Order: sequence, then structure tokens, then C-alpha cells
Amino acid sequence: DIVMTQSPDSLAVSLGERATINCKSSHSVLFGSNNKHYIAWYQQRSGQPPKLLIYWASVRASGVPDRFSGSGSGTDFTLTISSLQAEDVAVYYCQQYYDTPSVTFGQGTKVEI
Amino acid sequence: EAQLVQSGAEVKKPGESLKISCQASGHSFTNYWIGWVRQRPGKGLEWMGIIYPTDSETRYSPSFQGQVIISADKSTTTAFLQWTSLKASDTAMYYCARPLRAARPYDAFSIWGPGTLVTVSS
Repeated sequence: DIVMTQSPDSLAVSLGERATINCKSSHSVLFGSNNKHYIAWYQQRSGQPPKLLIYWASVRASGVPDRFSGSGSGTDFTLTISSLQAEDVAVYYCQQYYDTPSVTFGQGTKVEI
Repeated sequence: EAQLVQSGAEVKKPGESLKISCQASGHSFTNYWIGWVRQRPGKGLEWMGIIYPTDSETRYSPSFQGQVIISADKSTTTAFLQWTSLKASDTAMYYCARPLRAARPYDAFSIWGPGTLVTVSS
């Protein structure tokens, strides 16, 4: 299985400041035929199901504010919240959907204010 | 608007059987795979498996193969997750989810159900 390792496990950020979450995969998740990285990012607020933020490593899902952005290549990926808002307090997960059927998630990163 | 509605919370004893459901609406049920994700209390997300309602083709994560059964009923646009003999370690929230793109089993999940809490305790 591809192991997804997120860092840090938690971080506290002031309102309006930038939050950066890293995700490292144990193997490449680049699909050669379409040159896409099979990485997604989710936000899970307390007591809620996860919500898709980013797919293909850098494409924002419909309705997601543009303060959320994804980047990275190879085995290293980043989710950035450019200006943290109160409603962004949540746990964030990365996911690889390259190694099938062993789709795996990172362990999660808790973002607090 | 596409949505997934899941059955209510369950409390069961070890060794009992259980089948929980996920009813889809607002999209073509037979065009999209439906997956299941486990989240144990205070823990992360685990991808369990996925089914294509058109022909009931099912794919399981190796970690869950043989531990659960995923099925679907096209007539009621409902997917199911089933256990024949529950264990305390099955205590978790179970989410059903739909991939972003039609006919793609391995994709980001763009639509999620609210979850079904399963508690297994003697």
C-alpha cells in the first residue's frame, strides 16, 4: 500500500494568517498516461462528513473558496489556506487514489486558531 | 442536487449481523460507483470498497476483503454495507460516498453521506 504521511499532526494559526499542510506519499502517484497526480484533499469539520476541497493535487472542487490551494508533484504535496477563517477549523486529510484498490488517506492534520 | 442519505445509528452485540444502507438521489444511480469509508472513533479515514450499481461489480480494499459485503439495489437506488458477524473493532462511523466522475471507481469522493454510527458492544 502507498503510505500517506501528513505533517504536522496539528497546527494553530491566527485568523488571517497562512496555514500549510504537507502530505508525502511513499510512492509516486503520477499517472503517466494523463500526467495527473492522483491526490485529493478533504476538510472534515467536527461532527461532519468529509468535504472534497482539491483533486488532481491542485484543482479546486466546485464551490471551494479560492483561499484553498493545492500544489506539489512526485511524492510531496501541500494544501495551503492563504488566509485562515474561523470556519476553516477542521481536520484535513490527503488521499491517494492511484494505487487501486488500496486507496489510502493520510492520518489527518488538525487546524486550530 | 446529488445527495446520499444513510440509515440510522445501530447498536449491536458481537457476533450479530448488520446491513446499513445509503440511498442516492439527484444523479443517475447506475452511472456512478458508490464507495464506503470507515472512521473509527477519533481516528482517520479508511477506504473500504466500492460498487458499480449497473452490474454490481465490486472492488474491496485488501484490508476489508472478506470482512464486509457491499451490494446495491438499482430499483431503490440504494447501496448497502453488510456484516455477517460483528466485532467490537467494527465500532465506527461509516460513510458512503460518490466519486467525482461517472463510471470511475478510483476517484476523489465529491458527494458524501452523513454517516451511520455503528456501535458493537456486549
